[in-house]
Amino acid sequence: EADIYQTPRYLVIGTGKKITLECSQTMGHDKMYWYQQDPGMELHLIHYSYGVNSTEKGDLSSESTVSRIRTEHFPLTLESARPSHTSQYLCASSRPGDYEQYFGPGTRLTVT
Amino acid sequence: GDSVTQMEGPVTLSEEAFLTINCTYTATGYPSLFWYVQYPGEGLQLLLKATKADDKGSNKGFEATYRKETTSFHLEKGSVQVSDSAVYFCALSANQAGTALIFGKGTTLSVSS
Repeated sequence: EADIYQTPRYLVIGTGKKITLECSQTMGHDKMYWYQQDPGMELHLIHYSYGVNSTEKGDLSSESTVSRIRTEHFPLTLESARPSHTSQYLCASSRPGDYEQYFGPGTRLTVT
Repeated sequence: GDSVTQMEGPVTLSEEAFLTINCTYTATGYPSLFWYVQYPGEGLQLLLKATKADDKGSNKGFEATYRKETTSFHLEKGSVQVSDSAVYFCALSANQAGTALIFGKGTTLSVSS
């Protein structure tokens, strides 16, 4: 069973607020990912990291930013939340040399 | 570029019916193929995988065979249960381990008793 955690699970916040979505894994995986899932359930890669101090933008342009200061921690930050940011955000990680990704339970964000 | 196409849903079945969810892919090289499942309110879980042509992945009564000649990886189950109601995602990974997965758009399955 994968040990990857996301907090909060649900968040309702007003426009203009700064928020940070937390993602942590205890498996020592070097690669981590953030996906945005739209209401139609389609997944879009928005950020990924191959290790400490490595961050890259994904296929879908996002106003969010990420950091990777520790192997186990990969937080995502929105400096000023807008209603268009309302979505489900999924964090994932993978072992070195492996294709399989392990997913966290997700954070459902609603911006009013 | 690489892509995954899976059948659109929703798929609605009665309990004990046979399930097929079609998935085809376009990729260079020899990708690994996956089926993930997402239950309501949860993240994705790996259901099964296959890493080379003619491999059959299986788990919990579900199975899929990696068909290189038809670039397909169709998901099947002989007898579905209400608890199988979920969203199913087909995905592929490029040959370089650790690259992001490329997902299909997901197929919603609803099973009624």
